[in-house]
Amino acid sequence: GNSVTQMEGPVTLSEEAFLTINCTYTATGYPSLFWYVQYPGEGLQLLLKATKADDKGSNKGFEATYRKETTSFHLEKGSVQVSDSAVYFCALSEGSSASKIIFGSGTRLSIRP
Amino acid sequence: GAGVSQSPSNKVTEKGKDVELRCDPISGHTALYWYRQSLGQGLEFLIYFQGNSAPDKSGLPSDRFSAERTGGSVSTLTIQRTQQEDSAVYLCASSLSRDHGYTFGSGTRLTVV
Repeated sequence: GNSVTQMEGPVTLSEEAFLTINCTYTATGYPSLFWYVQYPGEGLQLLLKATKADDKGSNKGFEATYRKETTSFHLEKGSVQVSDSAVYFCALSEGSSASKIIFGSGTRLSIRP
Repeated sequence: GAGVSQSPSNKVTEKGKDVELRCDPISGHTALYWYRQSLGQGLEFLIYFQGNSAPDKSGLPSDRFSAERTGGSVSTLTIQRTQQEDSAVYLCASSLSRDHGYTFGSGTRLTVV
């Protein structure tokens, strides 16, 4: 079945460090891929997405590239800030129309000033 | 409306009682999803609606859980004879299509005592 595996946390970095959160997936067909973020005390928000191979999603300095050959969608940011502290979820969705989203288990990120 | 609205935001109920959770999706979004997020855990898929029908109910944990959607809009998730293990945040999301991504509500925090 379809699944998403992401890097276990928690991840703790210093401000301005480089961030990578790994995400790999298993899917039949051609899924869309997403990163969602959940800031403390808030709901889930879509951070970025990519709908086909080699697409790069980007938002708020974060980037992720849809790599079909390695079935990966790793999240990166060149210089993290304290305000990036949150839980990050990698997710996929399949099907020609709306279908259920399958989420990874989430990675908690904490940034030290 | 402007976003996905869920009510109540918090619910404390006694074990054995029934509860109803409501989700009001973004106007025009045909797809609606229910997820559950237990403390420190990832997101567990419960059920998905396309219009008023539910093509995928595979995530409902037991027959105590049911959901309906009327008029292609508001959805209600009902939990009968609540148990302590039902305590979680219940999240609703809506979408136009998978490539548009999914907008989540703020959730209902259910506590069964």
